Amino acid sequence: DAEITQSPRHKITETGRQVTLACHQTWNHNNMFWYRQDLGHGLRLIHYSYGVQDTNKGEVSDGYSVSRSNTEDLPLTLESAASSQTSVYFCASSESPSGYEQYFGPGTRLTVT
Amino acid sequence: GESVGLHLPTLSVQEGDNSIINCAYSNSASDYFIWYKQESGKGPQFIIDIRSNMDKRQGQRVTVLLNKTVKHLSLQIAATQPGDSAVYFCAENLGTSGTYKYIFGTGTRLKVLA
Repeated sequence: DAEITQSPRHKITETGRQVTLACHQTWNHNNMFWYRQDLGHGLRLIHYSYGVQDTNKGEVSDGYSVSRSNTEDLPLTLESAASSQTSVYFCASSESPSGYEQYFGPGTRLTVT
Repeated sequence: GESVGLHLPTLSVQEGDNSIINCAYSNSASDYFIWYKQESGKGPQFIIDIRSNMDKRQGQRVTVLLNKTVKHLSLQIAATQPGDSAVYFCAENLGTSGTYKYIFGTGTRLKVLA
């Protein structure tokens, strides 16, 4: 069965370190998205991609970057981790570029100390 | 787990009863709405959607109602089961057709009592 996976599931890192969160989907979807989820907020979009070599900034993109070298993967990099980036991160993919019926991964809980 | 929401509003419902979860959306131009279910330790899961040209849409045991006059969305779950226990949140598409612009709600925790 097709799926979307994230790794690691839990990560603790120190302020200032570079961190990369992996996202892999086997739906063969062109459209992939990264969100963060925090107490008191709904999901907030960090970056998204409509296909290979395409990346776009979302509403909370500062301090994050993504790259899309193939259809299956959209890694999220925190260039210099900050305590404000402690959060739960979700990756999603969809067949539609408008994000209809997105399939979400299980999430990565990141703690920056 | 990977879910958040320790301080969410909670709806407690007896097993077998119907549940109604409400959502107020923000933008009168929003033209598409989605309800998601998020179980503890898992990512959000699509439940049902509705477009702004509809007032009601039914799925299997779930119904979504849309009241555009007061910008209100509700999710009704019939014959609530223990497996329905989760956080439910709505999302609105801001009407920019073909682009990815959503606002997600913070959610309501549904607890099913045996």
